[in-house]
Amino acid sequence: AQSVAQPEDQVNVAEGNPLTVKCTYSVSGNPYLFWYVQYPNRGLQFLLKYITGDNLVKGSYGFEAEFNKSQTSFHLKKPSALVSDSALYFCAVRPRAGNTDKLIFGTGTRLQVFP
Amino acid sequence: ETGVTQSPTHLIKTRGQQVTLRCSSQSGHNTVSWYQQALGQGPQFIFQYYREEENGRGNFPPRFSGLQFPNYSSELNVNALELDDSALYLCASSSRTDPMAPLHFGNGTRLTVT
Repeated sequence: AQSVAQPEDQVNVAEGNPLTVKCTYSVSGNPYLFWYVQYPNRGLQFLLKYITGDNLVKGSYGFEAEFNKSQTSFHLKKPSALVSDSALYFCAVRPRAGNTDKLIFGTGTRLQVFP
Repeated sequence: ETGVTQSPTHLIKTRGQQVTLRCSSQSGHNTVSWYQQALGQGPQFIFQYYREEENGRGNFPPRFSGLQFPNYSSELNVNALELDDSALYLCASSSRTDPMAPLHFGNGTRLTVT
């Protein structure tokens, strides 16, 4: 079965420190990979995506993600965390096969950045 | 550019009732998909509409149905509501002309079934 795993329910980091939110996937082929962020009582906001090419992709608000094909991982990173980065982060994959926009989401990781 | 809008924002229904949720897609987008996000979970794909027809469905029973209108807006209908239907329902839009573009999500409708 196709799935996305986010092994950490919560990540705590001090403001100014680097952060990493982990994601691994089990999807056949070479799926498209995405990160979304969700603030309380809001929908999902797109952060970045990997389609092809350079394994390090840069996105919104200083976030970046590293794609590793052999480990089927797509970890989200930021060199220096801000308190305002505190939110719920979702990794998602979209299989290349098929003709829909179906995204398979992980269960989410809550990022808490402390002052 | 108008984003994805959903209505209502909150809704409380009783088990066994029926509910209709509405979504207006972002301008320029012709495809709408619906997701269910239960508390503490990631969103789960319900179905997608393109050219007013369902063209993809997740693992949801037939009592979940939808419509897409000529202006690309959409409805999600759920019949015979169950307690487990309580969730945040998210609508997302996209353009079929750019399949690698990310989905644009609305803020969702919070449905509570009592």
